[in-house]
Amino acid sequence: DAGVTQSPTHLIKTRGQQVTLRCSPKSGHDTVSWYQQALGQGPQFIFQYYEEEERQRGNFPDRFSGHQFPNYSSELNVNALLLGDSALYLCASSLFLGEISGNTIYFGEGSWLTVV
Amino acid sequence: QQQVKQSPQSLIVQKGGIPIINCAYENTAFDYFPWYQQFPGKGPALLIAIRPDVSEKKEGRFTISFNKSAKQFSLHIMDSQPGDSATYFCAASPAANKLVFGAGTILRVKS
Repeated sequence: DAGVTQSPTHLIKTRGQQVTLRCSPKSGHDTVSWYQQALGQGPQFIFQYYEEEERQRGNFPDRFSGHQFPNYSSELNVNALLLGDSALYLCASSLFLGEISGNTIYFGEGSWLTVV
Repeated sequence: QQQVKQSPQSLIVQKGGIPIINCAYENTAFDYFPWYQQFPGKGPALLIAIRPDVSEKKEGRFTISFNKSAKQFSLHIMDSQPGDSATYFCAASPAANKLVFGAGTILRVKS
């Protein structure tokens, strides 16, 4: 049973460029969330997708956008990259159970983005 | 109100010791409190989690203590081993499938 898979593992982009990160959730999961983890900090919630729609969003600018496909996989897009966007981007998958908290959230290994 | 405050920032214990990591929150709407372990270059992995209607939960060598009135919870690692050296994050859930994380505690267990 494959866990949460992310690609690419590492990438380097230039300031002002755009980047797309990809995620496949754990088998049987239908909800994908994205987190940004800066060096030495805890993960910060970017947004969540369920049924191909953005359901919740954290305090991130519109430069951060996403998409969920019918097979539940997801993409995170970041436009007009800034040096401060350099971080580990984590994909998290879970099963939607309505508004009930407490279902287990699994994380992928992350995509390391360096903006130069 | 969406914050979780975690301490200490780093911790060194001898093998066999019991490191304790503490977290505090303000938002009483939080209703699920997991702890994650993260090794360098890896994603966070769930260790143990608790709901506020329970004061303590134990899984293997890991124990969560929860004080609802004080809005605090802590992780205890019994008989710590060098392989437990990692960064530990507490988290809280303000909504379904969403987590707010603490800043993390870097644990080093000396052999």
